[in-house]
Amino acid sequence: GENVEQHPSTLSVQEGDSAVIKCTYSDSASNYFPWYKQELGKRPQLIIDIRSNVGEKKDQRIAVTLNKTAKHFSLHITETQPEDSAVYFCAGSRGAGNKLTFGGGTRVLVKP
Amino acid sequence: GAVVSQHPSWVICKSGTSVKIECRSLDFQATTMFWYRQFPKQSLMLMATSNEGSKATYEQGVEKDKFLINHASLTLSTLTVTSAHPEDSSFYICSARPASAGVPYNEQFFGPGTRLTVL
Repeated sequence: GENVEQHPSTLSVQEGDSAVIKCTYSDSASNYFPWYKQELGKRPQLIIDIRSNVGEKKDQRIAVTLNKTAKHFSLHITETQPEDSAVYFCAGSRGAGNKLTFGGGTRVLVKP
Repeated sequence: GAVVSQHPSWVICKSGTSVKIECRSLDFQATTMFWYRQFPKQSLMLMATSNEGSKATYEQGVEKDKFLINHASLTLSTLTVTSAHPEDSSFYICSARPASAGVPYNEQFFGPGTRLTVL
């Protein structure tokens, strides 16, 4: 089955700096890679996703890149703000509506 | 639209008792629902895939006789933790996939989670 590795496990950045989180996956049939933000005790919130037919996607301060050959994808957050502090999870699946395999999570702390 | 609810939001029970958690899609029909478990400071791990009108598919290592899943309608799936023990204490989250699954890239929507504490 799919295995998704996520690094780093914790990330502390100064407000205004950029944050980068990286994930690798093992299943070459995976074609959908969402990123979720989860606050303590809450449900995961989809913040951005990318399909395998696209190499990069951007939504305001958030961008995701995908390298299918190397089987890795990354989340980039620019101009970080304190409200970006949360746990971020990457995931992979064979299609958006199929079961998700999550990475281990990255706890991001944005220091004012 | 695309709202998923879970009930209860939290539950405390005694060891050895059974607990039922409901996952409902409020404004859409869901042929498939997924049940995840999340231990403190850990990731979400898929427990099982619930399909309306058929048996659930369990992930490796998940005891199907302990975690009973019933998906009796297109808007409701239930997870029953039987003979719960303290090690079953966790955050249980469901997600639901809309029934219009003919398109290749449809989405799934998460419920708010149920925190189970077994004493």
